[in-house]
Formats: sequence, structure tokens, C-alpha cells
Amino acid sequence: KNEVEQSPQNLTAQEGEFITINCSYSVGISALHWLQQHPGGGIVSLFMLSSGKKKHGRLIATINIQEKHSSLHITASHPRDSAVYICAVNRGSTLGRLYFGRGTQLTVWP
Amino acid sequence: NAGVTQTPKFRVLKTGQSMTLLCAQDMNHEYMYWYRQDPGMGLRLIHYSVGEGTTAKGEVPDGYNVSRLKKQNFLLGLESAAPSQTSVYFCASSYYRTYTSTDTQYFGPGTRLTVL
Repeated sequence: KNEVEQSPQNLTAQEGEFITINCSYSVGISALHWLQQHPGGGIVSLFMLSSGKKKHGRLIATINIQEKHSSLHITASHPRDSAVYICAVNRGSTLGRLYFGRGTQLTVWP
Repeated sequence: NAGVTQTPKFRVLKTGQSMTLLCAQDMNHEYMYWYRQDPGMGLRLIHYSVGEGTTAKGEVPDGYNVSRLKKQNFLLGLESAAPSQTSVYFCASSYYRTYTSTDTQYFGPGTRLTVL
């Protein structure tokens, strides 16, 4: 069983919809990361968080340490948000190593 | 400031051939990582380095070797390529933050390798 599970695996939305992607993990962590992989393959980091909530533009990431769960929300989705969103965790004592979920493929139609 | 660069972007090898993938970063990061990405699977760590002259095995190290002779460069070698090593390879780098033991990772553009 993967230590980091994401849901859904695939997500289709109409432009303007509110999007939620979920990430659950089964190990103790020091931080959780959300990354975005563009259709061209490039990977960029969106958020790193260890508690609470972070917001950047239309993206919001939350984490509940007790429940071992994080969500990534996209408000007013746009076709340019179409990408694979990846959740990853750092297990504290593992020198910066990340353990990745399998990603959520998001497609936003105009 | 180029960030993280990878060379080459594409490569086709025959079984048994060798090659080296080069990763370079200009952000003075201590940590560097090599990952592979295969369809339907998450990114998996091959090897990583916590500083110049150091390397360590990750999740899937077999068939690969690495070297970090200079802080800015991290090389991934395939001594005898196999079809199972067909994949997209990503390099990443980061600072190390003592209070969280992690920091944002910056990724290279990837190298698409096919082994026939």
C-alpha cells in the first residue's frame, strides 16, 4: 500500500467550478507538499505546509495533522489549471526525501 | 538564474549501452535528488545527495550510480541499460531547513530515456 494516497485519480470540471483534490497519508510527517506537473512535463512546487492553511491566488491548501489528511482547492477553475497535481510528504528524519502520491489528473473544459 | 537544468532532454539507448545524465543547479542548494517517473506510478527516488561528495540510495537504486563531485552538479549513470530503465528522469534540488528537515524542491525539466 502506498504511504500517500490521492483521490480522485482523474477529475474533469467545467470552467469556473470549485475543485478539491484530497491526499491522505499513513506515516508521521514533518511537512506536506503539493506540486503541479504541466502537460509538457515540468514540475513546480505549489505549497509546502506543516499545519493549517496556505493560499496563493486561486489555490488553497489545507492540512489536518491529526486526521493525516490534506486538501488542495482551486477556486474559479480555468482550462490553464489542467495538469497533474501531486501530493508528497516528508517524513521528518529522512533528510529531505519526499514520498509521492500517484497524482490527480485534472482537466478543466471551457 | 537558470534554476535546475538537465542534459540531455531525450535519449534512446540500446540494451547494454551506458550513459550519464547531468543535473546542474545554480541556487547553491545542499540537497539534490534523482527521481524516475513511470506511467501510473508516483515519482520514485533513485539516489540523493545531502552535500558535495556525498550520495545515498533511495527507493529504486539498482542499476544506477551517482556522483556529486561539485555542489552544483549531480550525475546519474546507467552502466548497462535495460528496457526496464525506460522512464522519464527528473532531477531536483533544495535547501535543507533544520526546523522542518525539508524545503521546497525545484525540479529540472526531465530527461526522457528509451532503452530498446
